[in-house]
Amino acid sequence: DTAVSQTPKYLVTQMGNDKSIKCEQNLGHDTMYWYKQDSKKFLKIMFSYNNKELIINETVPNRFSPKSPDKAHLNLHINSLELGDSAVYFCASSPTGGNEKLFFGSGTQLSVL
Amino acid sequence: AQRVTQPEKLLSVFKGAPVELKCNYSYSGSPELFWYVQYSRQRLQLLLRHISRESIKGFTADLNKGETSFHLKKPFAQEEDSAMYYCALRASGGYNKLIFGAGTRLAVHP
Repeated sequence: DTAVSQTPKYLVTQMGNDKSIKCEQNLGHDTMYWYKQDSKKFLKIMFSYNNKELIINETVPNRFSPKSPDKAHLNLHINSLELGDSAVYFCASSPTGGNEKLFFGSGTQLSVL
Repeated sequence: AQRVTQPEKLLSVFKGAPVELKCNYSYSGSPELFWYVQYSRQRLQLLLRHISRESIKGFTADLNKGETSFHLKKPFAQEEDSAMYYCALRASGGYNKLIFGAGTRLAVHP
């Protein structure tokens, strides 16, 4: 009965590869988010979708492409992985995208070698 | 620019001691501020928000617009308070876009 689940939990891959991280929420929320936590522990928003519509798109390389097939899922695809992409990626959701708390997934630790 | 600063990476105290986790922000409008917490092996979760003016697990935080601060305080720390604490600012733009600080690790020793 996990609320926000991400897969995989750990991802180790070579530079230049393409990989995807999946996120699903069973809370019935309309809005989902991707955050990146770098080595200095800063959490920075990357994208947000509301009912499958992209509403927040921060300055992120276009190698990163989010996809929301339905409002319960928000996947993150990364092309041509670089060393600097190594980080922990957190998915989150919230009921409507307004001023409300975020429900976070447990994170995906991506290591690019 | 909108920014959240948590000057301490680590705060180490003994059980029963008072705790103050510092948070300063930079924001031109009327800020909405939050504290999120991540306990060991658990997910990041909301601890409290300034508009609620509530006390959660003995923690309080007061918004001081003059000092642009939102410090988190607890009079008597417990070992179970050991965790990573993140201060966050809700950015302008109409969406729930949070800007997080770098976090402070609180270690409470017996």
